[in-house]
Amino acid sequence: EVQLVESGGGLVQPGGSLRLSCAASGFHFSSYWMTWVRQAPGKGLEWVANVNEEGSEKYYVDSVKGRFTISRDNAKNSVYLQMNSLRGEDTAVYYCARPRGYEILDYWGQGTLVTVSS
Amino acid sequence: DIVMTQSPDSLAVSLGERATINCKSSQSVLHSSNNKNHLAWYQQKPGQPPKLLIYWASTRESGVPDRFSGSGSGADFTLTISSLQAEDVAVYSCQQYYSTPYTFGQGTKLEI
Repeated sequence: EVQLVESGGGLVQPGGSLRLSCAASGFHFSSYWMTWVRQAPGKGLEWVANVNEEGSEKYYVDSVKGRFTISRDNAKNSVYLQMNSLRGEDTAVYYCARPRGYEILDYWGQGTLVTVSS
Repeated sequence: DIVMTQSPDSLAVSLGERATINCKSSQSVLHSSNNKNHLAWYQQKPGQPPKLLIYWASTRESGVPDRFSGSGSGADFTLTISSLQAEDVAVYSCQQYYSTPYTFGQGTKLEI
């Protein structure tokens, strides 16, 4: 059974940093791209970033470029999202998702809440 | 970036009736390399992560009831629920995976 479990969310002050983790199991992790999607309270879904199987290709939405870094550790079956210079508008539930091919997101974690507030 | 616009924002449909949700992209998501529409639909119930319903605009995900169907091509797409059930109450979102950033529509809230 495919499982994605996010962790690392919490309350952080504006300008602060946070590192999210997503632990994957139930599939051959190193054969898949991985993706982060976020959802602000009461809002729609926003694609944030993805990373290829080897960790050598990474893409970001413009609003996080230069502040967020996606990475992965295939030995640990984990993908990460390092978030720096956090802003209030980064407040959201952050989901880890697996694209089955192209960016068809067939498995999602339960999400981890990030709150940016003083 | 490709902007995805759904209509309506919310929709109330009686049990057993048809529900139709529209999604329009700011440019075509029909890719010439595979002649497929790079468009997916997701269902999200309160407190839960999104669930994949439809991909390639009209291919139903395994296990999704056949009352759910997707149609359209190019820049105009539709999700149809043929006979609404109580468990279909959710927010439905379209997503293009034609080009990064892989944008979502704002979501349509479906109620009974």
